[in-house]
Amino acid sequence: DAGVIQSPRHEVTEMGQEVTLRCKPISGHNSLFWYRQTMMRGLELLIYFNNNVPIDDSGMPEDRFSAKMPNASFSTLKIQPSEPRDSAVYFCASSLTLRTPGEKLFFGSGTQLSVL
Amino acid sequence: AQTVTQSQPEMSVQEAETVTLSCTYDTSESDYYLFWYKQPPSRQMILVIRQEAYKQQNATENRFSVNFQKAAKSFSLKISDSQLGDAAMYFCAYRDSSGSARQLTFGSGTQLTVLP
Repeated sequence: DAGVIQSPRHEVTEMGQEVTLRCKPISGHNSLFWYRQTMMRGLELLIYFNNNVPIDDSGMPEDRFSAKMPNASFSTLKIQPSEPRDSAVYFCASSLTLRTPGEKLFFGSGTQLSVL
Repeated sequence: AQTVTQSQPEMSVQEAETVTLSCTYDTSESDYYLFWYKQPPSRQMILVIRQEAYKQQNATENRFSVNFQKAAKSFSLKISDSQLGDAAMYFCAYRDSSGSARQLTFGSGTQLTVLP
């Protein structure tokens, strides 16, 4: 299995531009998570999906952030318009289910976003 | 709210030696899971070891073991026979057995350097 695949690996954009981050979870995994990592705030959960349905988006910082999961094999995180404070590493992770609290999360390699 | 504290921002260890990374957490729950994740320079977060709170026996995975002290709310990671490939950022994480992904909380991380 190729693992969780994220693209792009790096994204540099200018303030005000739209940014779309992409994620392909591991085949057969029913749960997908978007995290943001910064030096100041560490790892923060932004939103997660179960069976393609958003379950909790309370971690999404502002209305400028939106996430979709149109099918079991693809999810996007969009920032529109982007701001310099959005600069961070964005991780996607998937797991088999949400039912087991000890379930292992499989992480992608992240997208390093820089907003100038 | 649950909090996870890693009080050692940086640690170093000589190759082949043993190192212990500290983690404390705060919770009012009695059943939960604790995890150690490793983040190498490649950025991908990898699960190292996990422990269920109601299991008294400390988890081990090859050279990695934990010292779980439930009463003290302490969950340290011991790496034996350290190898150069162990150099990474290590994150301690906590999740309630209620299973809510919102409650997967990460510590701020410990950067481990392995000296040849």
